Amino acid sequence: AQSVTQLDSQVPVFEEAPVELRCNYSSSVSVYLFWYVQYPNQGLQLLLKYLSGSTLVKGINGFEAEFNKSQTSFHLRKPSVHISDTAEYFCAVSDVFTGNQFYFGTGTSLTVIP
Amino acid sequence: GAGVSQSPSNKVTEKGKDVELRCDPISGHTALYWYRQSLGQGLEFLIYFQGNSAPDKSGLPSDRFSAERTGGSVSTLTIQRTQQEDSAVYLCASSLVGGATSYEQYFGPGTRLTVT
Repeated sequence: AQSVTQLDSQVPVFEEAPVELRCNYSSSVSVYLFWYVQYPNQGLQLLLKYLSGSTLVKGINGFEAEFNKSQTSFHLRKPSVHISDTAEYFCAVSDVFTGNQFYFGTGTSLTVIP
Repeated sequence: GAGVSQSPSNKVTEKGKDVELRCDPISGHTALYWYRQSLGQGLEFLIYFQGNSAPDKSGLPSDRFSAERTGGSVSTLTIQRTQQEDSAVYLCASSLVGGATSYEQYFGPGTRLTVT
């Protein structure tokens, strides 16, 4: 079974600074990769996904992520954060061949400081 | 359009009681997932339904947990003889299968279950 590691449980960052949220997964088999965001008191929503093709994926709200197969990573980045980006971010992975199960990381709490 | 809805939003129950949690997926979504989110934890996969196929129950933590999906739409997660460790937020998600939006899960707001 897959496992997903989000190395940083909490990331404080000043407004307009860049941020990177790290995600590593366990298996080297073909995978689909996702980042979800959960704003305070709201449900999870999809930020971006990698299914195939270009390893650099752009999502909503100016976020992007890069799939690195050799390092089994899918780190999320934003060049300049806003207060409104304060939220919990979850990385998820699914095996291409099963597709049924999604394995989520424990989440990274991003706090943007004014 | 309408998103995924779940009811109740909050449920407080006594240890040993049975509870039922309901999920209404987005119309036309054939895939439906249940997850559990405990405090400070990630999402734990519980069960997956896809069309008329047999559900993937491999994530259910014990035989006290069961789920069904009637008519390929509404799903009910049942927890029998609840225990305090069952306290968590239970999330439902649905998605299409096939096409560009495959595997994009749309989550409901969750049901917060507290077992006293």
